[in-house]
Amino acid sequence: QKEVEQNSGPLSVPEGAIASLNCTYSDRVSQSFFWYRQYSGKSPELIMSIYSNGDKEDGRFTAQLNKASQYVSLLIRDSQPSDSATYLCAVNVNDMRFGAGTRLTVKP
Amino acid sequence: EAQVTQNPRYLITVTGKKLTVTCSQNMNHEYMSWYRQDPGLGLRQIYYSMNVEVTDKGDVPEGYKVSRKEKRNFPLILESPSPNQTSLYFCASREATNEKLFFGSGTQLSVL
Repeated sequence: QKEVEQNSGPLSVPEGAIASLNCTYSDRVSQSFFWYRQYSGKSPELIMSIYSNGDKEDGRFTAQLNKASQYVSLLIRDSQPSDSATYLCAVNVNDMRFGAGTRLTVKP
Repeated sequence: EAQVTQNPRYLITVTGKKLTVTCSQNMNHEYMSWYRQDPGLGLRQIYYSMNVEVTDKGDVPEGYKVSRKEKRNFPLILESPSPNQTSLYFCASREATNEKLFFGSGTQLSVL
């Protein structure tokens, strides 16, 4: 089992909809969780971090963490075409471990 | 401007011809790391360094070497590249006590 798993997608949503990206991880001792956004041909950039169970909101982005279920998600409200990118889930387990990423396309 | 600089951006080479990809950061970060990114596999760590003269293997170190003689530089060396090392490579750095990674712009390597 991979340490960090994501649905590879692609995920396609219409403009203005909510995009939901999911991630599961295997190591129960993980304490730090991150979402990186990577535009095509560019490097990853950190958009959200979460450390405690529950929700963390930052503008149109909400990260959700459930340690009991070993599950972390990212919700993007009012999705815009500029949100079209690959989203990488990362978990700090003896250093950062990345999922394969989910490609999101927001259609105008 | 705070940044991680990788060079070259694109590189095409042939099997067995030694190459070096350079990485430099201007943020005085203690930690630096190299990743390769392949479709469907995500980012996999090759080597990392916690500080000068301290390096350690990541998940996929075979066929690679690194050195950390200065705090700002962390070159990736392929002594004898093979086609299975064709990939997109990223260098990253962070502070010792902060988990946020700063990535370089990437190096697309093709080994023929």
